[in-house]
Amino acid sequence: AIQLTQSPSSLSASVGDRVTITCRASQGISSALAWYQQKPGKAPKLLIYDASSLESGVPSRFSGSGSGTDFTLTISSLQPEDFATYYCQQFNNYPRTFGQGTRLEIK
Amino acid sequence: EVQLVESGGGLVQPGGSLRLSCAASGFTFSSYSMNWVRQAPGKGLEWVSYISSSSSTIYYADSVKGRFTISRDNAKNSLYLQMNSLRAEDTAVYYCARDLQWLDYWGQGTLVTVSS
Repeated sequence: AIQLTQSPSSLSASVGDRVTITCRASQGISSALAWYQQKPGKAPKLLIYDASSLESGVPSRFSGSGSGTDFTLTISSLQPEDFATYYCQQFNNYPRTFGQGTRLEIK
Repeated sequence: EVQLVESGGGLVQPGGSLRLSCAASGFTFSSYSMNWVRQAPGKGLEWVSYISSSSSTIYYADSVKGRFTISRDNAKNSLYLQMNSLRAEDTAVYYCARDLQWLDYWGQGTLVTVSS
């Protein structure tokens, strides 16, 4: 199974900061990567698919990049509603796998 | 509006069985593949199972293979997960999610607790 390693596991930042989260795959997955946001007690929400395509309705401050084994999720200017946990997920093959998550907290 | 509503969770003893359901609305259910994803308390997301639109292709995570069975009824717009031989480590919130390869819509989840 393809392993996804996110870094950092947790991150403290302030409103207005630019934040980058990294996801590294154990083998090449082309652009078959998605990013999700999850708030406590809620279902995950799709942000980015195909590594860099913004899901409809998601604010443009979110962006994704990368291909092969290294991917990033960037939030250009943090808003209060962005404090949550973020997960990457590969859909290159089965079993589908998720990263362990990055918890983004308010500094 | 796309809606996915899970049901069927609850408390079950180790070795027991439970059947989860996911009722879909707001889209043509029979045209989409579906998944189950779970999340143990305080832990990350774990993909559990996939079923294609016609049920012709099914995949399972190794952790549930041989114990869980995914199925669907397109006439009833419903997805199911039959869970047998449940273990304490199966305790989690179980989500159904629509598949576009990525998971674009998720239900609110149903909690399964395996404990004596």
